[in-house]
Parts: sequence; structure tokens; C-alpha cells
Amino acid sequence: EVHLVESGGGLVQPGGSLRLSCAASGFTFSNYDMHWVRQPIGKGPEWVSAIGTTGDTYYPGSVKGRFTISRENAKNSFYLQMNSLRAEDTAVYYCARVGYRGRGYNAFDFWGRGTMVTVSS
Amino acid sequence: QSVLTQPPSASGTPGQRVTISCSGSSSNIGTFTVNWYQQLPGTAPKLLLYSDNQRPSGVPARFSGSRSGTSASLAISGLQSDDEADYYCAAWDASLNGPVFGGGTKLTVL
Repeated sequence: EVHLVESGGGLVQPGGSLRLSCAASGFTFSNYDMHWVRQPIGKGPEWVSAIGTTGDTYYPGSVKGRFTISRENAKNSFYLQMNSLRAEDTAVYYCARVGYRGRGYNAFDFWGRGTMVTVSS
Repeated sequence: QSVLTQPPSASGTPGQRVTISCSGSSSNIGTFTVNWYQQLPGTAPKLLLYSDNQRPSGVPARFSGSRSGTSASLAISGLQSDDEADYYCAAWDASLNGPVFGGGTKLTVL
């Protein structure tokens, strides 16, 4: 059974840093693209970053230069290093697996339960 | 403010058919297919449909989807009380080079 478990969230001051981890199990982790998606309370999800099977990385402009995604296939884990955090980064952060991928689509078939990140003084 | 636009709420009675719309632009829905997610309170989103109308294993045939131009829609037939949840559309965006989501539609079963 596929499981994704996030950890590392918490309360941090503006300008601070956090490192999120996502531990995967139940599938061949190295074969899948993985993403981080965040969701502010009461709002829709927002894509944060992606890492491909070959280690290629992608970010939206809102986090580029501040966040870094990485993966460690030997540990079935991937990570999100978040620096220079802002109040608007406050959200539940989910890790997600791309289970369906084709010409014109990437769909997340499994999500973790999420970890809360609060940026506040 | 989300890139894709959904109505904030929808409702129906048990057994009824309801539809939820999702509007985008040429850089997302106009070019790429749409995925739909269902989110029950306090849980992570769950994939409901991918590539406009494909159902993952375990998703009932009551859920269907369509896309035309820069809009898409999710239809739920034979509405059940368990369907009460938030529904989000998502699509790849060429400008972002990543997925974009709608703001969500809260479905109430009356």
C-alpha cells in the first residue's frame, strides 16, 4: 500500500527556514516524479515544486530562489528546504506522487496527510 | 486568487445530478487536460478524474468530466450524502510549467 508521510512543519518567524521531509513507501520511489503542493487554510491548493526521476527540478516564481526540492532515492524520501519564509507561505504542505502522466497531464494519485507551516512573529 | 475559476458552492438533493464548472485560459485548460480532486474535511485531496474524464480505480462511474475550449466541468449523478466535500479542478499551465488549481467548490447535499 502506498504511503506518503510528511514531517518538519511548525512555527517559524518571517525570514526563517524550515526543511520538510516526505517519506514514501509501498512503491518503487525512484520511478516517480514527486511534487510539493500547499494549501492555505480555506483556500485552493497551490503547486510549490516538483522533482523528476532524474533529479530535474521545477518551481513557480513565488518560491523560486527561496525553496529547494531534493530527493534521496536510497531513503525513499524527498525534501523541501524553505528559506526566507514569508507570512504568505503559511499553509498545509502536502507531498504528492504523479501517478498518471501523459501528453498534457500530470495527476497526483497519492497525497500525504500534510504538515502545517506557520510563518508568524 | 486561484488561476482556475470555480463557483464557490453547489448543492443538490440525494439522487440528483449536479455539475461543477471550471474556467481557465489558453495556457492551461485550452491546451491541457483537466484533473479533478475531491477533498473531505480535514483530509488530503483525492484524485477523482484525470485527463478530463478518466476514473482511477475505485472511483464510481457516477463521476464524469468533460472539457471544451478553456472550460471544463465535473458531473456527479445519483448524488449521495458522502459526496459532500470540496471539489478542485487542476490543469497543467504552459506559462507556469507546472499545475494550477481552482479555488474549489463546496458541494452540499441537501
